[in-house]
Amino acid sequence: DIQMTQSPSTLSASVGDRVTITCRASQSISSWLAWYQQKPGKAPYLLIYKASSLQSGVPSRFSGSGSGTEFTLTISSLQPDDFATYYCQQYNNFPFTFGQGTKLEIK
Amino acid sequence: EVQLVESGGGLVKPGGSLRLSCAASGFPFFNAWMSWVRQAPGKGLEWVGRIKSKTDGGTTEDAAPVTGRFTISRDDSKNTLYLQMNSLKTEDTAVYYCTTDWGPHCGGGSCYWGQGTLVTVSS
Repeated sequence: DIQMTQSPSTLSASVGDRVTITCRASQSISSWLAWYQQKPGKAPYLLIYKASSLQSGVPSRFSGSGSGTEFTLTISSLQPDDFATYYCQQYNNFPFTFGQGTKLEIK
Repeated sequence: EVQLVESGGGLVKPGGSLRLSCAASGFPFFNAWMSWVRQAPGKGLEWVGRIKSKTDGGTTEDAAPVTGRFTISRDDSKNTLYLQMNSLKTEDTAVYYCTTDWGPHCGGGSCYWGQGTLVTVSS
């Protein structure tokens, strides 16, 4: 199975900050990577697919980059609604594995 | 509007069985590849498995922890996805979500999710 490792596990930041979350795959997954946002008690929400494509309706302050084994999710200017947990997921090989999550907290 | 509504969760004893359903609407279900993802209480997301559309062969893939115990199926006449869960273990306790990557801006990612249904395996 492909292991997905996110860092950091927890991130404290303030409104207006620029933040970056990293996701590393244990082997190459080309660009078959998605990023999700999840808030407590809610289903995950797709932000980014194919590593860098923004899903329709997602604010442009979110961006994704990378290919192969290293990927990043960047939020250019944090808004109050962005404090949540973020997951990466590879869908290049079965089983489609998720990272362990990054909890973005208010500093 | 795309809607996915899971049902069938509840409390079951270890070794027992449960069948989850996911009623889909607002998109051409027969043409969609559908997946199940679960989340244990306070934990991260875990991919359970996927079923292709019958047009694309209708084949299934699943994760090792559920292989041989869980079966994913679909009834396109009812626009419904199923997850038959047998030989349940306490570690199967989780919220189970159905998802689909159908849509022009999904690119293989899970664009649409249901609200989830809680399965608790406990004696």
